[in-house]
This record gives sequence, C-alpha cells and structure tokens, in this order.
Amino acid sequence: SQQGEEDPQALSIQEGENATMNCSYKTSINNLQWYRQNSGRGLVHLILIRSNEREKHSGRLRVTLDTSKKSSSLLITASRAADTASYFCAQAAGNKLTFGGGTRVLVKP
Amino acid sequence: DTAVSQTPKYLVTQMGNDKSIKCEQNLGHDTMYWYKQDSKKFLKIMFSYNNKELIINETVPNRFSPKSPDKAHLNLHINSLELGDSAVYFCASSPLRLDTQYFGPGTRLTVL
Repeated sequence: SQQGEEDPQALSIQEGENATMNCSYKTSINNLQWYRQNSGRGLVHLILIRSNEREKHSGRLRVTLDTSKKSSSLLITASRAADTASYFCAQAAGNKLTFGGGTRVLVKP
Repeated sequence: DTAVSQTPKYLVTQMGNDKSIKCEQNLGHDTMYWYKQDSKKFLKIMFSYNNKELIINETVPNRFSPKSPDKAHLNLHINSLELGDSAVYFCASSPLRLDTQYFGPGTRLTVL
C-alpha cells in the first residue's frame, strides 16, 4: 500500500496533557501535511512542512519531519477538549496527496 | 460564505440507482478533487481536475464519472450504485496540485 502509517491509531489523554502522533511514509515527498477531522465534518488543514524543512510550529502545534527516516510527528501541547478529533498526515508526491489512516485523539476534560 | 460546498449532505438510495453529488468552490482555485472515505476512515483520492482537465483517475470503476463544467465546479455522477459504494465522499480544492487542500463537508452516501 502507498498509504502512510499513523501511530498510534487511537490516543486518550487528559486536558492539559500533550499529545504526540507519528506518521511514516514510503516514497520521497515534496511536502507533508497534517489535517484534523472532527466527527461528521470535512478535513481541515493544520500545517504543511516541506521536504527541506525539519520543524514547523503553529500555535500549540509542532510538526517535525525526518526525511531520512521517512517519518513525521505532530505534537499538540496543552490539549483541550476541543482538540478531540481524528488527525491525518498526507504525503504530497507525484501529483497527489496520499493520506494515512489517521489517529483518533480523545481529550478528556 | 462556505469555501467548498457539496450537495446533498446525505444521500440514501437503492442498489442499481444513478445519483449525482455536486461540488462548488468559491476560492478561485485551479485544482479540484474527489475523495472517498470508507467506514475505517481511510481517505482515498478518486479524481482530480486542473482547470477543467482530468489529471488523476485512480482505478475507479467507470460507473463513477466526474464532470467539471468550469473550474469552480466538479460534480460526481455514479451509475448502477452498489452496496460497496456506501461511504462519505469529499470534494476538495487547492490553488496548486500539491498545496494545502480545502475540503467540503462531505456527502454521506448509503446504498441499501
């Protein structure tokens, strides 16, 4: 399969804790993107990190990219109940994005 | 104003029927996509159009036919619906092919 692998598949944390999820992929990429999907809604773009970048921040989100290991991680700091959602990584290569299976994050108040 | 809109939001139909899903984006993007998300949440690209021209057709049965009347619209017509077509279908758009994508709210298709 050309789909990336996300780890863990599900994560349950208390409000205020940090959440880390990982994404591995198989081919060379142009960039890697992270999206959030709330239940019953469409995907919302969070961060795009290019293949020549190693780390990127946006608010409470931190994304790293290690092209030698073909892996990326998304860290959500000081989580809130509103962060409860599924998080997807997507590899941009060729002429399309290929999405991983997602990590379901539950933030308990 | 909604950036990427899809209609209908829910579609329940019998096997063998033909149905269409419409998508419109008001972002001025050149590229539009159709994705299928299955019950396990895997999201798979089906089609991509750039300026009304088909650029991706991912081994989708030819019962599925996309149509792009202009670069702001990408519709999906499905003939002879099968049980396995039940899924959530998302439309998306982006300014460039590998750029950030903006997703519509999805159409939940249920084939009985």
